[in-house]
Amino acid sequence: RKEVEQDPGPFNVPEGATVAFNCTYSNSASQSFFWYRQDCRKEPKLLMSVYSSGNEDGRFTAQLNRASQYISLLIRDSKLSDSATYLCVGFDPAGNNRKLIWGLGTSLAVNP
Amino acid sequence: DGGITQSPKYLFRKEGQNVTLSCEQNLNHDAMYWYRQDPGQGLRLIYYSQIVNDFQKGDIAEGYSVSREKKESFPLTVTSAQKNPTAFYLCASSLPTSSGGSSYNEQFFGPGTRLTVL
Repeated sequence: RKEVEQDPGPFNVPEGATVAFNCTYSNSASQSFFWYRQDCRKEPKLLMSVYSSGNEDGRFTAQLNRASQYISLLIRDSKLSDSATYLCVGFDPAGNNRKLIWGLGTSLAVNP
Repeated sequence: DGGITQSPKYLFRKEGQNVTLSCEQNLNHDAMYWYRQDPGQGLRLIYYSQIVNDFQKGDIAEGYSVSREKKESFPLTVTSAQKNPTAFYLCASSLPTSSGGSSYNEQFFGPGTRLTVL
């Protein structure tokens, strides 16, 4: 089982729709999570950090459920420019190898 | 403007040749990272460095080498020993992770280098 798992999609939604992505993680020691956005053939860019209380930034809301070990990203009123791959990322605090654990990404296509 | 630069954007090499990918940052970050991304796979960590003159192997270090002689620079050499070198290579940097607890700082990525070995 991969440490961070995402539904690869693709999610095809019309403009204005609300779309939600879930991500599950297997390492219960992970304490920090992130959503990165990656456009086609570009580098990943941080979209949101995920805090235990959940956080919101405009149309984007991220939540963490430690009991069920999943992270979610909600996009409201989706725009054409939201079309991208969304990467769920955990942080492995174990030992000296402090590193990010990357999911494979969920592809979103917002259609006019 | 602060940021990370990688060069070249596209690189073609013949099989059996070593090639060095450049990564420079002017963000004053201590930590730097090299990842590889293949179609259908997530980012995989090749090497990382938390401080100048020190670096650690990541998950897929075989066939790669790095150096960290300056804070701003973290070049990656893809050697002929790397069996499948064709990939998208991403360099990133961050403030160092704290020595205790689980706090983490955002990783900033360069634009990447697409390496094709013919």
